[in-house]
Amino acid sequence: AQSVSQHNHHVILSEAASLELGCNYSYGGTVNLFWYVQYPGQHLQLLLKYFSGDPLVKGIKGFEAEFIKSKFSFNLRKPSVQWSDTAEYFCAVKSNAGKSTFGDGTTLTVKP
Amino acid sequence: EAGVAQSPRYKIIEKRQSVAFWCNPISGHATLYWYQQILGQGPKLLIQFQNNGVVDDSQLPKDRFSAERLKGVDSTLKIQPAKLEDSAVYLCASSSPSGLGTEAFFGQGTRLTVV
Repeated sequence: AQSVSQHNHHVILSEAASLELGCNYSYGGTVNLFWYVQYPGQHLQLLLKYFSGDPLVKGIKGFEAEFIKSKFSFNLRKPSVQWSDTAEYFCAVKSNAGKSTFGDGTTLTVKP
Repeated sequence: EAGVAQSPRYKIIEKRQSVAFWCNPISGHATLYWYQQILGQGPKLLIQFQNNGVVDDSQLPKDRFSAERLKGVDSTLKIQPAKLEDSAVYLCASSSPSGLGTEAFFGQGTRLTVV
């Protein structure tokens, strides 16, 4: 069975600090990897995804993530966070059978 | 482009009552998902439809939960009878053909409180 583990439940940063949120998955086959974000009061939306090719993917608002196959990881990064990045972040894996599994999320609070 | 529509936004019911949620996916999206998100956890897939056929309902508690997607567009999710542990946000999502690279588009969700 596939699973996703997000290491940090709650992260608090000051503006301009760098961000890295950990995500590890377990699945033996080909996968797609996603990061979704949920801003306060809004619905879940896609931040970025990895399908194939370059393991370093760039998403909206300056976010990027690196797929490291040997480590089963897909960590999310941003060099300098803003107050508006305060949100909940979910990592998800989608198997080649089309089944998606989400991690339990990381709440990011950015202090102005 | 209109997003995924869900109703109601909030619902409070007593245990053992029944409740139904409605979802209208993005036009043209063949795949529809229902997720349950309990506070502090990530979304858990309950059921996945491809057009009006069920692709995956392995995590749907079939003794009390049911879902249908007539005509391959709108969908309803029903709980009967509800239990306290069903308190959660129920999310509907849709995607164009559920290929490996396609992401899901989510609705606002329905927050269910069972008292």
